[in-house]
Amino acid sequence: RKEVEQDPGPFNVPEGATVAFNCTYSNSASQSFFWYRQDCRKEPKLLMSVYSSGNEDGRFTAQLNRASQYISLLIRDSKLSDSATYLCVVSPVFSGGYNKLIFGAGTRLAVHP
Amino acid sequence: ETGVTQTPRHLVMGMTNKKSLKCEQHLGHNAMYWYKQSAKKPLELMFVYSLEERVENNSVPSRFSPECPNSSHLFLHLHTLQPEDSALYLCASSQGGTGATEAFFGQGTRLTVV
Repeated sequence: RKEVEQDPGPFNVPEGATVAFNCTYSNSASQSFFWYRQDCRKEPKLLMSVYSSGNEDGRFTAQLNRASQYISLLIRDSKLSDSATYLCVVSPVFSGGYNKLIFGAGTRLAVHP
Repeated sequence: ETGVTQTPRHLVMGMTNKKSLKCEQHLGHNAMYWYKQSAKKPLELMFVYSLEERVENNSVPSRFSPECPNSSHLFLHLHTLQPEDSALYLCASSQGGTGATEAFFGQGTRLTVV
């Protein structure tokens, strides 16, 4: 079983749509969770951290369900500029002094006019 | 100036060549990483340096040899590579502390082995 699993997509949605991405992880001891965004032929960049209580940043909402080992990302009112690959990232028990970030393969989103 | 810079951006090398990838971070971080990204596969962590000490080596073949001369610079020395080593090689840095923090990535070196 992969450590972090995501639906690869692509998700093709019109502007203004609401889209949700899901992610599951295998290590129940994982402590930190993130969503990164990667544009075509560019480096990954942090979109948002994911907290147990859920968190929102503008049009983006992230949720964590530790019991089900499941993370989600909701994007409301999609923009053309949201087209990218969204990477689910999990960090196991803190290793002291550095991050061991485990990446999913990513879910590709294409927003069309 | 970007936080993490990698050179070269593109590299084509033969299987018998020796080349080096360079990474420099301007963020004052104390941990640096090499990741490999192949088509349609997740980013794979190759090496981690924390406070200039190598702390992780994830079963990477010896034809990849990392070097961290100081906290701002990281190299990946390449020799006798195989065509399947063609990929995007990403360097990242982060500030270690009491919990996992954001990693900042360079723009990557797109490597093609012929």
